[in-house]
Amino acid sequence: NAGVTQTPKFQVLKTGQSMTLQCAQDMNHEYMSWYRQDPGMGLRLIHYSVGAGITDQGEVPNGYNVSRSTTEDFPLRLLSAAPSQTSVYFCASSSRQGGTQYFGPGTRLLVL
Amino acid sequence: GQQLNQSPQSMFIQEGEDVSMNCTSSSIFNTWLWYKQDPGEGPVLLIALYKAGELTSNGRLTAQFGITRKDSFLNISASIPSDVGIYFCAGQLFKAAGNKLTFGGGTRVLVKP
Repeated sequence: NAGVTQTPKFQVLKTGQSMTLQCAQDMNHEYMSWYRQDPGMGLRLIHYSVGAGITDQGEVPNGYNVSRSTTEDFPLRLLSAAPSQTSVYFCASSSRQGGTQYFGPGTRLLVL
Repeated sequence: GQQLNQSPQSMFIQEGEDVSMNCTSSSIFNTWLWYKQDPGEGPVLLIALYKAGELTSNGRLTAQFGITRKDSFLNISASIPSDVGIYFCAGQLFKAAGNKLTFGGGTRVLVKP
């Protein structure tokens, strides 16, 4: 049981490049979320999903796209990276019955 | 959106000391959570509080859910070196869509040189 896994661990992009951050969970959780972490600001919700085929925006969704085709996977896409998207990105999952969110190890993204 | 103010932003601990940190909100939450983040890792849940006034312990950690439902505190007793890390409070509304959380800015706990 690996829990929540994220790839890559670290990525450097140039402004304007696109990429996809991968997230997978093996706990059969219905809910999955993406957060970004910036110094002094805690974690802020980007997008979340309550089940396959259902996604919604969080607090800071601009510049990011998500889709949820399976229960296990919830990729986050940056269509045209900007330096303001330099951050640490965390994926989390939780069960519909219990609110506890389990976090992945994070992806550190640097946009030059 | 809702804001959680967490203080202090950072603190130094000496082994054996008790330390406290708190979190305040401009609005009510139904659940308060405390997470710890070690370097290079994701946050890990320490304590969850579900009822106003609730006091809950997990080993050397004690947390309380404020009566007004707008604040919470975390106390670490007899600190040890592995307590170093970033502690986050998080609030959750009842039946929040996707179980989404609102996080405080974190308290960075460091060891006194």
